[in-house]
Parts: sequence; structure tokens; C-alpha cells
Amino acid sequence: EVQLLESGGGLVQPGGSLRLSCAASGFTFKYNAKSWVRQAPGKGLEWVSTISGGGEDIFYADSVKGRFTISRDNSKNTLDLQMNSLRAEDTAIYYCVIFGWGSHRWFDPWGQGTLVTVSS
Amino acid sequence: DIQLTQSPSFLSASVGDRVTINCRASQGINNYLAWYQQKPGKTPKLLIYGVSTLQSGVPSRFSGSGSGTEFTLTISSLQPEDFATYYCQQLNSYPLTFGQGTKVEIK
Repeated sequence: EVQLLESGGGLVQPGGSLRLSCAASGFTFKYNAKSWVRQAPGKGLEWVSTISGGGEDIFYADSVKGRFTISRDNSKNTLDLQMNSLRAEDTAIYYCVIFGWGSHRWFDPWGQGTLVTVSS
Repeated sequence: DIQLTQSPSFLSASVGDRVTINCRASQGINNYLAWYQQKPGKTPKLLIYGVSTLQSGVPSRFSGSGSGTEFTLTISSLQPEDFATYYCQQLNSYPLTFGQGTKVEIK
């Protein structure tokens, strides 16, 4: 069974740092682009960042550029998101997702999400 | 940036109703348009990609259509398990963007 499992969420003070990790099982995801999507409490979905399968192409939303860093370890089947200088508005559930790419494009599968709360 | 505007934002419907949700893009997206369903407390689920291709396992009462900048998700006969929030997404260019969501509730 294909599964993505995020970890690393928690409560952090404004200005602090947190590192999220996503472990894939049931498939080898090194050939796939991977993304992070977040959802603030009661709000809609917001794309955060994408890294290509080989890691050569990386993209960020303007809201996190310069503060967040996406990375992957294909030997371990893991995807990370290093989050620095955290703000209250970064409070959200963070989802790891596979960016399917071919004649079409899609986000699937999704992890179950990990909650990040930025508060003093 | 490409903006996606969904309409309506909220929809009240009965079981058996035909439901249509619209998604308008601020510019062309080469049909890189996907739809997701999210139930409260759950992870988003891919329903449709490439405007009209049904994801494996998704019931055939769901369908997608459109082109250019106007897209539609249709549920032909609403079932109790379909009450949820639906999002469109463009995957044509960065930043990737989602619509604001359409919440489908029971009338």
C-alpha cells in the first residue's frame, strides 16, 4: 500500500524553527516530484513548495520563500521541510504530497498531515 | 500568478440532486486542472485530473469538463458521502494555486 507519513509538527514560538519529514512506503518515490501543501485552521489549501524527482528544480510560494527549505533523501525515501523564522500565519496542517507528472498533472497520494502551531 | 475563482463558495443540496461547481482561471492553464474532495478532518482526495480524467476508484457520478479558463465539476446524483468541500487546482505554472473551495452541505 502506498503511504506517506509526515512527522515533526508541534508547537513553536514565533521566530523559531521546525523541521518536518515525510516518509514514503509502498513505492519508490525518487522518480517523482514532491510537494508540501498546507491548510490553516478552517481555511483552504495553499501550495508551499515543490522539489523535482532529482532535486534539481525547487519552487516556493512567496509567503515562505527565504524562510523554508525543501529537500529530499532518495536513498531513505524521505522528504523534508526546514521551516525557519516561523510566524503565526504559518500555523497549519502540513501535507506531504506526490506531484504526478505526465500528459496530465496531479497531486496524489497525500499524507495524513502534521499540525504546526506557531504561538507564544 | 494564476488566480482560481470557484463558484459558488457554498452550496446546499439534497440527496439525488445534480450539482455543478465552477472554477474560473485568470489565464489559460493548458488543461492542467485537477479537482479534490475534502471531508472534515480528512486528507484531500484526488477526484479528477487533466480537466476530465477520473481518478481510479472515484465513482462515475463525478465528472469534469471545460477548457481554456472555465471548468466545471459535476456530481450527477448527490450521495450522502459526497457532502464535503471541493477544490480546483491549477498545475500549469508556479506558484501552483487552488480555488478557495466550495462547501457542499445537506439541504
